[in-house]
Amino acid sequence: DVKVTQSSRYLVKRTGEKVFLECVQDMDHENMFWYRQDPGLGLRLIYFSYDVKMKEKGDIPEGYSVSREKKERFSLILESASTNQTSMYLCASSTRQIGGPGVADTQYFGPGTRLTVL
Amino acid sequence: GESVGLHLPTLSVQEGDNSIINCAYSNSASDYFIWYKQESGKGPQFIIDIRSNMDKRQGQRVTVLLNKTVKHLSLQIAATQPGDSAVYFCADLRGGTSYGKLTFGQGTILTVHP
Repeated sequence: DVKVTQSSRYLVKRTGEKVFLECVQDMDHENMFWYRQDPGLGLRLIYFSYDVKMKEKGDIPEGYSVSREKKERFSLILESASTNQTSMYLCASSTRQIGGPGVADTQYFGPGTRLTVL
Repeated sequence: GESVGLHLPTLSVQEGDNSIINCAYSNSASDYFIWYKQESGKGPQFIIDIRSNMDKRQGQRVTVLLNKTVKHLSLQIAATQPGDSAVYFCADLRGGTSYGKLTFGQGTILTVHP
């Protein structure tokens, strides 16, 4: 079974703090993703990475950065946390598709980190 | 189906009934679709997928129907059980990328009453 783990289930930080959210997957997946999930807004893509040291902005990258130094690990960084970054953060991974869409595009999710910024 | 704003669509059923959850997608170039189930306090969990060259796919107690003409996807759950209570999301693969980026629907809350 694919396993995606996130470093914390719950996190409380203060405004202005630097926050690191860690994600690790054990299936040798090339692609990794960070989303935030807010009530009524669904899952919104923050950043994704398709290879080590490669990253691309998603739909809402402002206020966030990422790091992927190893294939299995993808970190989300909040340089200076703000109250509007209070949210559920979800990490996902998938394999690179070969020959078209299919099972390779299924994203497997971690349990999420509920971050509260005071 | 899809919703805009703060209120998710909800579906309440009795245990043993069949459930149908609907989803509309907007990208006519999408060629791969997934249904996810998210239980309270957990990450989304893969249920079933379907490619655009199919209009129906069956799993264990679940069936996904795809109508590309009207860009509509549905998830049918047979003999719904209390453990099926969750938020259900559809997702479609964004066209033109090899990185597997998905666009997610807003979700539907399914509540199963014993």
